[in-house]
Amino acid sequence: GESVGLHLPTLSVQEGDNSIINCAYSNSASDYFIWYKQESGKGPQFIIDIRSNMDKRQGQRVTVLLNKTVKHLSLQIAATQPGDSAVYFCAETPPGGSTLGRLYFGRGTQLTVWP
Amino acid sequence: ETGVTQSPTHLIKTRGQQVTLRCSSQSGHNTVSWYQQALGQGPQFIFQYYREEENGRGNFPPRFSGLQFPNYSSELNVNALELDDSALYLCASSYPTGAAFFGQGTRLTVV
Repeated sequence: GESVGLHLPTLSVQEGDNSIINCAYSNSASDYFIWYKQESGKGPQFIIDIRSNMDKRQGQRVTVLLNKTVKHLSLQIAATQPGDSAVYFCAETPPGGSTLGRLYFGRGTQLTVWP
Repeated sequence: ETGVTQSPTHLIKTRGQQVTLRCSSQSGHNTVSWYQQALGQGPQFIFQYYREEENGRGNFPPRFSGLQFPNYSSELNVNALELDDSALYLCASSYPTGAAFFGQGTRLTVV
């Protein structure tokens, strides 16, 4: 079955630094990827998405990079702030059929921002 | 705020009991998916409903069932609760191929 994993379970950065959170995915046919942020006791919050026909997408302070050759996804957060402290998940959606719209999540990376 | 609301926020049930969790989807979204999130893990897909029909199911037993109503709201029902069913249950609404937006979840504890 499909699986999404993360290279590092924890990441600590200083306030103001840039953060990079990595993710590996296993299904080369997956065509849609989403990054979520989950704070303690809350549901996952959409951050940014990217489709497989793109290799980079930018949002406000965040950039997602997709490398289909090595099935790797990364989330870059610029000028990390204490409010960015949370668990970050990448999720993939395989193409069409009965799996349409379902998300496969990895374990998540705990980002801690210290002053 | 995503516009996806779930109720209740917390629930304690006894093993063997049945539970119903509810979800109101974001306005305009016709697809609702349910996920189970155990402590320290990523969410696991339970099933998805599209226009009131089940449209895909994850690796969960039949005692996990659901409904979607004409207004696209949804219910998750779990029968014969087991201790391992204790988890955060998440509802997400979307268009069939768009980004899924999650509610705050229902924390279910089975004792």
